[in-house]
Amino acid sequence: AQSVTQPDIHITVSEGASLELRCNYSYGATPYLFWYVQSPGQGLQLLLKYFSGDTLVQGIKGFEAEFKRSQSSFNLRKPSVHWSDAAEYFCAVGLLTGANNLFFGTGTRLTVIP
Amino acid sequence: GAGVSQSPRYKVAKRGQDVALRCDPISGHVSLFWYQQALGQGPEFLTYFQNEAQLDKSGLPSDRFFAERPEGSVSTLKIQRTQQEDSAVYLCASSLNMRVRAGDNEQFFGPGTRLTVL
Repeated sequence: AQSVTQPDIHITVSEGASLELRCNYSYGATPYLFWYVQSPGQGLQLLLKYFSGDTLVQGIKGFEAEFKRSQSSFNLRKPSVHWSDAAEYFCAVGLLTGANNLFFGTGTRLTVIP
Repeated sequence: GAGVSQSPRYKVAKRGQDVALRCDPISGHVSLFWYQQALGQGPEFLTYFQNEAQLDKSGLPSDRFFAERPEGSVSTLKIQRTQQEDSAVYLCASSLNMRVRAGDNEQFFGPGTRLTVL
């Protein structure tokens, strides 16, 4: 079945520590891949996206993600987390054919401790 | 406006009431999407418009859900005879172009309407 999986429901990191949020997808062909961030009471904000080409993608707010075809993964990373990064993070895919909408994972809640 | 706006931001309805949720997309954006986000879940697709045409409504969970975009800008999502399982955040997103796949075309999201059905 087609799916987007974010295996970590909740992650807690210390401020200044590194971060990696996992995302795996299961689709027939490599889809377009996205990471969104959602702060309380806010809409989803796009952090970065992958269509093709360089498998290491740079985004806003110091985030990056690496596409690994062999693992069907698109993990989000940040070298040094700031307290303001505390939020919900969603991985999403867009299909190459068919539906125009995005398919989202269930999200990972990030807590940052001082 | 600068971004996608939605109103009301919060709505409490008694079971059986009808509700209408409004979305104002970014001016000039052709495509408009509605998503439903249940508590602790990711957004799930409801329906998609290209200008005033509703091209995909495969995600609408029942015939109690109805969406329209009569002039190709503002959209309204209507839920008739609300049920407790309709409680969720309803997100609207718009994107500029229409002849591209979802991945080619960034979707800009509004803050959502939180619907609580008692």
